[in-house]
Amino acid sequence: DGGITQSPKYLFRKEGQNVTLSCEQNLNHDAMYWYRQDPGQGLRLIYYSQIVNDFQKGDIAEGYSVSREKKESFPLTVTSAQKNPTAFYLCASSPSTRDRGPPGELFFGEGSRLTVL
Amino acid sequence: GEDVEQSLFLSVREGDSSVINCTYTDSSSTYLYWYKQEPGAGLQLLTYIFSNMDMKQDQRLTVLLNKKDKHLSLRIADTQTGDSAIYFCAERYRDDKIIFGKGTRLHILP
Repeated sequence: DGGITQSPKYLFRKEGQNVTLSCEQNLNHDAMYWYRQDPGQGLRLIYYSQIVNDFQKGDIAEGYSVSREKKESFPLTVTSAQKNPTAFYLCASSPSTRDRGPPGELFFGEGSRLTVL
Repeated sequence: GEDVEQSLFLSVREGDSSVINCTYTDSSSTYLYWYKQEPGAGLQLLTYIFSNMDMKQDQRLTVLLNKKDKHLSLRIADTQTGDSAIYFCAERYRDDKIIFGKGTRLHILP
């Protein structure tokens, strides 16, 4: 079945450690996204990628890094520089506006909950 | 800069219409979306509207877009208890950047 898979679902990290969250999609989508969801804050955009080997900073990119070496994969690294990393992280994908026709909806993974101890 | 604003709470009596409002700042958007998130669940797309349209209707849902005022609204007719959720407005730009509002929590009164 087509979809987006995020792993791990739950993750605990000690302060000062980097951690990488995985996001894989088999929907053949060009565009991929990482959001952070905190209570009362809605979804805030961390990074997005319109196409392979290209990505752009979102509104809260500081302390995070990404790569887009394959169309299917868009991993997010939460570095020790991120001041408040405990949060729920959502990955999403969508057809790109570069494709002909409307881009349609954003498909979301089930999320990864990161807790820093 | 880019921003999407929504009021945080709305209470509506069961059977009445709910109107959830959203304002955005950037006129270069291509599509505007409404997503629904029920407690403990993921985000579900309700509807989206192309930025050159004024209105879109889909069963109980009506979306109105006022491009001059950069205002988007979602009307839910005959609101039911199952409509209780957080509703997010989102704006898509030409480079595929998608920004969400903080969400409006809809509470249904009996």
